Amino acid sequence: SQQGEEDPQALSIQEGENATMNCSYKTSINNLQWYRQNSGRGLVHLILIRSNEREKHSGRLRVTLDTSKKSSSLLITASRAADTASYFCATVPSGNTPLVFGKGTRLSVIA
Amino acid sequence: GAGVSQSPSNKVTEKGKDVELRCDPISGHTALYWYRQSLGQGLEFLIYFQGNSAPDKSGLPSDRFSAERTGGSVSTLTIQRTQQEDSAVYLCASRNRGTDKSSGANVLTFGAGSRLTVL
Repeated sequence: SQQGEEDPQALSIQEGENATMNCSYKTSINNLQWYRQNSGRGLVHLILIRSNEREKHSGRLRVTLDTSKKSSSLLITASRAADTASYFCATVPSGNTPLVFGKGTRLSVIA
Repeated sequence: GAGVSQSPSNKVTEKGKDVELRCDPISGHTALYWYRQSLGQGLEFLIYFQGNSAPDKSGLPSDRFSAERTGGSVSTLTIQRTQQEDSAVYLCASRNRGTDKSSGANVLTFGAGSRLTVL
């Protein structure tokens, strides 16, 4: 079963606006990761946040993690048309277990 | 190679036929994963290989599905007697050896996937 659930399922914004996507998960984790998938392609890793971290930045990406609420958010600032893609959160449950992915948020950035 | 390579990129088959999907991971990556992605859905874990350990097959949906990894490198996912519900994109990923405390631990590098259509 899916561990992470992204919200919203789909998001449409204008170029230049910020995009926020949320992820909730069920069990304790070692870390949480965000991946991006362009249509018809494989997933690309964006950013990883460990369970003892609360916020992390990478370029225009900002990720937060609230382990008490079992939730994370991904913020893309100053969005571009090229950011149009599906975004997935993935969790690593404690132990040596495979990544568990959510169903993703489909982001459309309109030029 | 520089990335994870999967073949074929597209496969159309008739119901009841067997198919083999191949994954060539990044050289030196010890772990290899297979996931399945149905249209508009998230990734469904299928099977996981880590070094010489017994594979984690807990995600395989039925005994028609099997996978092997030869020589710790190339992996083949086999689906026997394909059904229409097997239609999906099959994604392979590999990762470096590492612990949770090391940078890049558990970060996966994905191939472009094999799109399977069962008629």
